Amino acid sequence: DAKTTQPTSMDCAEGRAANLPCNHSTISGNEYVYWYRQIHSQGPQYIIHGLKNNETNEMASLIITEDRKSSTLILPHATLRDTAVYYCIVRVAENYGGSQGNLIFGKGTKLSVKP
Amino acid sequence: NAGVMQNPRHLVRRRGQEARLRCSPMKGHSHVYWYRQLPEEGLKFMVYLQKENIIDESGMPKERFSAEFPKEGPSILRIQQVVRGDSAAYFCASSLTRSSYEQYFGPGTRLTVT
Repeated sequence: DAKTTQPTSMDCAEGRAANLPCNHSTISGNEYVYWYRQIHSQGPQYIIHGLKNNETNEMASLIITEDRKSSTLILPHATLRDTAVYYCIVRVAENYGGSQGNLIFGKGTKLSVKP
Repeated sequence: NAGVMQNPRHLVRRRGQEARLRCSPMKGHSHVYWYRQLPEEGLKFMVYLQKENIIDESGMPKERFSAEFPKEGPSILRIQQVVRGDSAAYFCASSLTRSSYEQYFGPGTRLTVT
């Protein structure tokens, strides 16, 4: 699976949009981009995933560049409860020939939402 | 509609003792993953099981660690003769299928070896 690069930490003001970047310049055509987050002392939580197109759900939006070498997770109105470590993961889906079930977590970005 | 359950939530063991960590996946899920998180580090994959089978144990230490997921009952991660370096948070996740986009994580078991 391709490797990802994320900033170590970011700050965001409460109520503002949080934009978390991720570089995955070696991503393959059959690899998805996933985002998970881990609030302090809790288990990771799935946020969103995408392949090529931008995606949006009730939690966040995912913007993937046309060349797929980078992406941005957007939390449109960050709250204090969004303070967490955010992980960007790339992974081949089984239906694209992937054999790996597990997720490979890097160090992630520690997002601090401040009042 | 219970999520992934892990018990105990906190476990204290003395060096040399055995630790047994349990994970009950979400209802209907037959794929279980174990991850370990050392203090101030990211999560590291340990083992992937599907009912009664170990699919991938590439992240498991070669000695003292074992895992099972019997036909009935929870998945068990067993650590024999624990050492201080085993102190960590152990998370279990489950998914509906192998190719499921989302893995659901439990709250973790925090193992402290004294």
